[in-house]
Amino acid sequence: EDQVTQSPEALRLQEGESSSLNCSYTVSGLRGLFWYRQDPGKGPEFLFTLYSAGEEKEKERLKATLTKKESFLHITAPKPEDSATYLCAVQAGSSNTGKLIFGQGTTLQVKP
Amino acid sequence: GAVVSQHPSWVICKSGTSVKIECRSLDFQATTMFWYRQFPKQSLMLMATSNEGSKATYEQGVEKDKFLINHASLTLSTLTVTSAHPEDSSFYICSATLGGTQYFGPGTRLLVL
Repeated sequence: EDQVTQSPEALRLQEGESSSLNCSYTVSGLRGLFWYRQDPGKGPEFLFTLYSAGEEKEKERLKATLTKKESFLHITAPKPEDSATYLCAVQAGSSNTGKLIFGQGTTLQVKP
Repeated sequence: GAVVSQHPSWVICKSGTSVKIECRSLDFQATTMFWYRQFPKQSLMLMATSNEGSKATYEQGVEKDKFLINHASLTLSTLTVTSAHPEDSSFYICSATLGGTQYFGPGTRLLVL
C-alpha cells in the first residue's frame, strides 16, 4: 500500500536555528514527490517537485532533497514567517489521474 | 501563474439546504481538478477527481449523491453539498493540475447549523 509518513509532527525552532523535516514514503513507482506549505485557514502553496533520487531543489531558505525512500526539507536560518505546516505528497506511478497521497504534515513554529 | 480561486471562501447554511462551491483555474486550463476535505489539525483527504466533460471519480467512502461534482469547462469545477448536515461542516479545498503539479485554491469553510 502506498504510504507517506512525515516527522516530526511538530517542530519548534528559534529564529536562525536550522533544521530538517523528514518525509518517508513507500510507493509503487514514484512519479513525483511534492512539498507544499500550508498556513492556517488557507490552501496549500506549492513549493517543490522532485522526480528522482539525488535531485535537489532550493528556494530562499528551503532546500528539498530526495532519496529512494525519503525526502528532506532543510530549513536554513529560519525566520518567524517560515512558521506553517509543511506537507509532503507523492504521486504513484500506478496512478494515471495525478492523484496525490499526502503525509500528515509537520507544523513548524519559529520563534523570534 | 497557476492561480486557483474558490468561491465562496466562507459559507454558513441551515441543515437540509444545498451549498455550491466553485473552483476556477484563473490563468490556465485544467482537464483535471481535485476536491479535498480537511478537518482541523489533519491532512488533506481526497474526496474526488473531477475530469472535464466526464463523470467524477469518487474515493471510497465518499457519497457521490451527497457531494455532486460538475466539471463543465476547462477552468471551472463545482462541488455541491446536497442536504447538508452539521457533520458536513469542514474546510473544502480544490486543486487544478498544470504540468503534473497540483495547485490549490484558498479553500472554502462550510458551517452547517
